[in-house]
Amino acid sequence: GAVVSQHPSWVICKSGTSVKIECRSLDFQATTMFWYRQFPKQSLMLMATSNEGSKATYEQGVEKDKFLINHASLTLSTLTVTSAHPEDSSFYICSANGDLAGRVTFYEQYFGPGTRLTVT
Amino acid sequence: AQKITQTQPGMFVQEKEAVTLDCTYDTSDPSYGLFWYKQPSSGEMIFLIYQGSYDQQNATEGRYSLNFQKARKSANLVISASQLGDSAMYFCAMREADSWGKLQFGAGTQVVVTP
Repeated sequence: GAVVSQHPSWVICKSGTSVKIECRSLDFQATTMFWYRQFPKQSLMLMATSNEGSKATYEQGVEKDKFLINHASLTLSTLTVTSAHPEDSSFYICSANGDLAGRVTFYEQYFGPGTRLTVT
Repeated sequence: AQKITQTQPGMFVQEKEAVTLDCTYDTSDPSYGLFWYKQPSSGEMIFLIYQGSYDQQNATEGRYSLNFQKARKSANLVISASQLGDSAMYFCAMREADSWGKLQFGAGTQVVVTP
């Protein structure tokens, strides 16, 4: 149980285009999802927190208009990188916590496998 | 300000030996949780162990144990009997009670296990 998937696992796009990354909780309802960005050899940096049915909360320094987050259902959150540029190339990871078969996963956060974005 | 500090960028350890990864944290919240994750080269984040701030005993999970020293605000991870498959990046993270579940990560420690 507690599987989080991400799609695509890797994507290459041209500068100026937009790319959407999906994060799905496969066997539980994710009340909260988180989006992280990780540059090579660096740590995970939280970009935003997304709750189902409400606007995402962005961390300081993260451009809301550039990184659009939609948490439309209890199992799906999407991150759209708009007008991507080479500096947006990174590893994007989502995670989720929520209700796992009636047990609230208070302390465990389940991570997706990540999406590697390369902007050329 | 950095809330999670991992001072060891990288470590080599011989197979079958134990290794300790350092982690110190900073919080004024009396209720918090400390986590260790392993990230192999594939990029997936693998949850290893959790310690709650009110837990009286140090957490253990198989070959992983957490040396929790609350007064010193440290939560070191001990990996016993290292295996080649333990080679990975290891991250210490903290979640404070009023953070809506947000995790704050340290810089990470790269562990390389040698035969």
